[in-house]
Amino acid sequence: DIQMTQSPASLSASLGETVTIECRASEDIYNGLAWYQQKPRKSPQLLIYNAKNLYTGVPSRFSGSRSGTQYSLKINSLQSEDVASYFCQHYYDYPFTFGSGTKLEIK
Amino acid sequence: EVKLLESGGGLVQAGGSLRLSCAASGFTFADFYMSWIRQSPGKAPEWLSFIRNKANIYTTENNPSVKGRFTISRDDTQNVLFLQMNTLRAEDTAIYYCTRHEVGAGVMAVWGQGTSVTVSS
Repeated sequence: DIQMTQSPASLSASLGETVTIECRASEDIYNGLAWYQQKPRKSPQLLIYNAKNLYTGVPSRFSGSRSGTQYSLKINSLQSEDVASYFCQHYYDYPFTFGSGTKLEIK
Repeated sequence: EVKLLESGGGLVQAGGSLRLSCAASGFTFADFYMSWIRQSPGKAPEWLSFIRNKANIYTTENNPSVKGRFTISRDDTQNVLFLQMNTLRAEDTAIYYCTRHEVGAGVMAVWGQGTSVTVSS
C-alpha cells in the first residue's frame, strides 16, 4: 500500500496568516492526490483534487502544489472558519489511503 | 440538492452482521461511482470499498483490510448504495460514510453525514 505521511499533526496560527500542510507519498502518485477539510462534528469536504485543482465553490485562498512525492496545501489569509482538520488522500492505485491529518487552530 | 443519507448503523455484538444503506437524491445516481469510507473517533478516514457504474459493469475495488467481510453493492432502480458487513470486530467501530466520486475515479466529492456503528466485544 502507498503510505501518506502528513505533517504537522497540529498547527496554531493567527488570523490572516498563511499556513502550509504537507503530505509525502511513499512512492510516486503522479498528482493523484486530494485534500479534504473536516470541521468539528461534520463530514469531510473536498478542497483540492489532482494535487492542485480547486474544487467548485472552494475559496481561492486554498491552493495545492507538488514537488516530487511531496504535496502541499497552502491556506492564505487564515479565516476563523478555516478551523478544522485537514486530510490528504491519494488515489493513484488501490487501496486509497489518507494521511493522518492536521488539526488547525487559531491562536 | 445533492444528498446522501446513510442508515442502518447501530450497536452489534462482535461476530455479528449489519447492512448499511445510503439513499441518494438530487442527481442521477446510476451515472456515478460510489464508495464507503469509515472514520474511528480522532482518526483519519479509511477507504473501504468502491463500486463503478453500470457502464463499467458495476465492478468493485476493496481495501484488503476488510476484504472477505465487507461487500459493496448498489440498486440503481432505488438510488441506494449498500455495505454488507459480516463477522464484525471491535475495531470496526466507526462512523461510516458513503461518498460520490467525481472529477476523477478516486476523488470523493460528496459525502453523507455518516452512520455510527459500534461493535461490542
